[in-house]
Amino acid sequence: GAVVSQHPSWVICKSGTSVKIECRSLDFQATTMFWYRQFPKQSLMLMATSNEGSKATYEQGVEKDKFLINHASLTLSTLTVTSAHPEDSSFYICSARSGYTDTQYFGPGTRLTVL
Amino acid sequence: AQTVTQSQPEMSVQEAETVTLSCTYDTSESDYYLFWYKQPPSRQMILVIRQEAYKQQNATENRFSVNFQKAAKSFSLKISDSQLGDAAMYFCAYRSARGGADGLTFGKGTHLIIQP
Repeated sequence: GAVVSQHPSWVICKSGTSVKIECRSLDFQATTMFWYRQFPKQSLMLMATSNEGSKATYEQGVEKDKFLINHASLTLSTLTVTSAHPEDSSFYICSARSGYTDTQYFGPGTRLTVL
Repeated sequence: AQTVTQSQPEMSVQEAETVTLSCTYDTSESDYYLFWYKQPPSRQMILVIRQEAYKQQNATENRFSVNFQKAAKSFSLKISDSQLGDAAMYFCAYRSARGGADGLTFGKGTHLIIQP
């Protein structure tokens, strides 16, 4: 149980385009989802906290207009990287918190490469 | 703001031996949670063990145990009988118990190598 999926697992796009990444909790409801970013050989950095039906809360230094987060249902959150640039290339990981176990379960991540 | 420090970028241990990974943290809060996550080459984050700050008893999960020293703000992970499958990046993480602030703060990680 407690499976979180992400789609796509890998995406390459041209500079200036937008990319949407989906995060789904498959077998539980997640009122809260989180988006992290991980650069090569580095740690995970929290970007934003997403609550179902409300606006996301962004960490300091994260541009909310560039990284649009929508949490439309209890099982789906999306991260849209708008007007992507090469410096946005990174590994993006979502997690979903189970209200039942109060544990965060992580998705497998999405590798974004912006050319 | 909370910080998590892992001072060992890399550790190496012989298979079947015991290894301890260090983690210290800084916080002004009294109620929080601490975690160890494993990230193998697949990059899937896997929860290894969890500790609630209000619990004095150290958490244990099979071959994995922690030494939680709240006053010293230390949270080390001991892996007993190391196996080849334990090879991975290990991240120590902090989570506030305060509502609305429950994203994880991670340390920089320790790369664990298991030598056969």
